[in-house]
Amino acid sequence: GENVEQHPSTLSVQEGDSAVIKCTYSDSASNYFPWYKQELGKRPQLIIDIRSNVGEKKDQRIAVTLNKTAKHFSLHITETQPEDSAVYFCAARPPSFILTGGGNKLTFGTGTQLKVEL
Amino acid sequence: DTEVTQTPKHLVMGMTNKKSLKCEQHMGHRAMYWYKQKAKKPPELMFVYSYEKLSINESVPSRFSPECPNSSLLNLHLHALQPEDSALYLCASSQEQGFEQFFGPGTRLTVL
Repeated sequence: GENVEQHPSTLSVQEGDSAVIKCTYSDSASNYFPWYKQELGKRPQLIIDIRSNVGEKKDQRIAVTLNKTAKHFSLHITETQPEDSAVYFCAARPPSFILTGGGNKLTFGTGTQLKVEL
Repeated sequence: DTEVTQTPKHLVMGMTNKKSLKCEQHMGHRAMYWYKQKAKKPPELMFVYSYEKLSINESVPSRFSPECPNSSLLNLHLHALQPEDSALYLCASSQEQGFEQFFGPGTRLTVL
């Protein structure tokens, strides 16, 4: 099955700096890669996602890049702010787990605790 | 309504109790999920329902029993749980032709 590795497990940056989190996946057929942000005690929230037919996607201060050849994708946060402090999870979706009705199975990375210091 | 809701927010139960978690969405999504999440770990998939039918069971112990009474509701019935089952239980849903999974706020379960 799919396996997703995520690095680093913790990341501390100064406010205003950039943060980069990297994930690698094992199933070359995986075609959807979301990133979730989870604040303490809250639900995971999708912040950005990318599909396998796209190499890069940007939404304001957040961007995701995908390298299908190397089977890795990265989250880039620029001009970090204290409210960016949270745990970030990457995920990959292999097509073998896409069901009728839209059900699908995500394989999550182990998470990165991002701390933005003043 | 663009949210997944879950009740209760917190639940404390003994190992001999029977309780249920409830999840509701009114976004017309036809796939619904139960996840278990331990502190600082990623969500761990338990069950997936598609069109109100159980499609994926990730070898979850029988003390967890899911139910999908209709396309908007998802229940998780709990019986004879163990202290190690204490966790945040998240519900999620996704649309028929979509990719994104929308998560509910979760139920914080403590088993004494």
